[in-house]
Amino acid sequence: EAQVTQNPRYLITVTGKKLTVTCSQNMNHEYMSWYRQDPGLGLRQIYYSMNVEVTDKGDVPEGYKVSRKEKRNFPLILESPSPNQTSLYFCASSASRDEKLFFGSGTQLSVL
Amino acid sequence: AQRVTQPEKLLSVFKGAPVELKCNYSYSGSPELFWYVQYSRQRLQLLLRHISRESIKGFTADLNKGETSFHLKKPFAQEEDSAMYYCALSAGSGAGSYQLTFGKGTKLSVIP
Repeated sequence: EAQVTQNPRYLITVTGKKLTVTCSQNMNHEYMSWYRQDPGLGLRQIYYSMNVEVTDKGDVPEGYKVSRKEKRNFPLILESPSPNQTSLYFCASSASRDEKLFFGSGTQLSVL
Repeated sequence: AQRVTQPEKLLSVFKGAPVELKCNYSYSGSPELFWYVQYSRQRLQLLLRHISRESIKGFTADLNKGETSFHLKKPFAQEEDSAMYYCALSAGSGAGSYQLTFGKGTKLSVIP
């Protein structure tokens, strides 16, 4: 089944403790991206990647890192999480800019 | 920089009434526009995109470059249309990269 898989679904952590949210797609998509969803702010793009080893900042990249060493994986790294990064995170992929995005099921992160 | 504006946070209509979810964008080039929908407890999914000019679940959207709008319309609302709707714009950000920008979303509530 074609899908985007995010892990974990729920994560509670403390300020400053490094964490990684994994994202994997099995559709051989070139384009992958990360979003955070906050009430009243909608979806905001954090980082995106056009292909392996190619990443670009989105609208809200501060405090986040990404890597694209393989086509299928696009992990989101929070080196030193802070409470303002408490949010619902979505990973997505598509074959190209004109193709539809496939979204993961989301990761609810709480930073205490 | 591109921007997507959805002026209504919440839109309530009666079942059977027409629906119009507004979306305006700002971008100097040729954008690719999409509508995504998020039903309760489900992941985001593509509803339609302007390049395919298709009708999905009775919804249509026409790109009006003069008014820089991409409003989503349906002649007769159904209860199952209640969801969060996001307008999105894919636009070039230099060197072959494309950034996807979402509006803040409109919550549609269809009253029985």
